[in-house]
Amino acid sequence: DAMVIQNPRYQVTQFGKPVTLSCSQTLNHNVMYWYQQKSSQAPKLLFHYYDKDFNNEADTPDNFQSRRPNTSFCFLDIRSPGLGDAAMYLCATSVGLSSYEQYFGPGTRLTVT
Amino acid sequence: GENVEQHPSTLSVQEGDSAVIKCTYSDSASNYFPWYKQELGKGPQLIIDIRSNVGEKKDQRIAVTLNKTAKHFSLHITETQPEDSAVYFCAAHPGRAGTALIFGKGTTLSVSS
Repeated sequence: DAMVIQNPRYQVTQFGKPVTLSCSQTLNHNVMYWYQQKSSQAPKLLFHYYDKDFNNEADTPDNFQSRRPNTSFCFLDIRSPGLGDAAMYLCATSVGLSSYEQYFGPGTRLTVT
Repeated sequence: GENVEQHPSTLSVQEGDSAVIKCTYSDSASNYFPWYKQELGKGPQLIIDIRSNVGEKKDQRIAVTLNKTAKHFSLHITETQPEDSAVYFCAAHPGRAGTALIFGKGTTLSVSS
């Protein structure tokens, strides 16, 4: 039944050690998004893919990268995690970019030690 | 750009009472307004949405109203139950392809039995 799947659900990494979070979807949606959500805050968009076209938000740090090898999968790479990168990372999908419903995954809780 | 304000930040009600959460937006071109419910440790779940050509939409105990002139929209939950306790986010889409959903800061709803 799960439509947007994120793995792992919990990830612990060390300061400066690269980490990859994964997202997969069974909805065949064109758009996949990555959001960062810190405690008691709204989700903050990092970037999105429309098909293979990558769109980075202006204030997303260079430390965050993404890959989308096919329609179903999307990865978030954090090259050198800092303590401030500890957060919930949410993947979402939508059919298109304009006014379409976004469906979120359960999130990956990242801890940086 | 678009800005979404959400009130109140916390709301406590007794089981069976109604709860109302209000949002205002700044961009008159915004045309899609979803509401998300986020339970602790989970991703946001789309619970209801409304488009700018509609004034009200209902789904069982949940309703959303939109006032385009005043640029505000509200979530109404009737006959609240303890399982309605969660953080609720409103959002607005600026109506231009390639732009992102803009989220409010969230309302923590607590329903006590």
